[in-house]
Amino acid sequence: DTAVSQTPKYLVTQMGNDKSIKCEQNLGHDTMYWYKQDSKKFLKIMFSYNNKELIINETVPNRFSPKSPDKAHLNLHINSLELGDSAVYFCASSQNQRTGPGETQYFGPGTRLLVL
Amino acid sequence: LAKTTQPISMDSYEGQEVNITCSHNNIATNDYITWYQQFPSQGPRFIIQGYKTKVTNEVASLFIPADRKSSTLSLPRVSLSDTAVYYCLVGVNAGNMLTFGGGTRLMVKP
Repeated sequence: DTAVSQTPKYLVTQMGNDKSIKCEQNLGHDTMYWYKQDSKKFLKIMFSYNNKELIINETVPNRFSPKSPDKAHLNLHINSLELGDSAVYFCASSQNQRTGPGETQYFGPGTRLLVL
Repeated sequence: LAKTTQPISMDSYEGQEVNITCSHNNIATNDYITWYQQFPSQGPRFIIQGYKTKVTNEVASLFIPADRKSSTLSLPRVSLSDTAVYYCLVGVNAGNMLTFGGGTRLMVKP
């Protein structure tokens, strides 16, 4: 019954490796997001997809590539992992980015990535 | 995007009322004010949202003055389980409510 789920919950890997984080929402939402939360707890948007189309792409290295096979899934692939990529990554979804007012986001439990 | 400013941290004791104020001086006419709560090791979750005056739900109240340049989240009779980070966001829809900032770390003590 989890609304927004992410796998894996924890990810420990070596520098230079390639890894993926998966996200799925069963809320029927049109829009999904990826956020990065650093050690100071700042939550920064990385990407936003609306109905499988990329809407927002903040200043994120090209090593990060989102993939949306359908509107219920938004996966995050990271190439050549670096130490600075260590953070908690949250997936979220909302009904429709372009509608409002008062639209809210539903967040997944997060994926804790540690790059050694 | 309207920038928000919140206190970095607050301490309280069980049973007290906690008020967290957020400043958003350049809020736009169509912007809504939304508060999220984040427990350790969890994703943020929606608490309350308002446009003007006062909004109340089973969790909290939100007070918004007439000029809407600030808002106050009120948590009645906090318990230890209310220890969390509280984020204030302003925007029209989720698409532009994407700047969470550092939030306010509330510590409730016994």
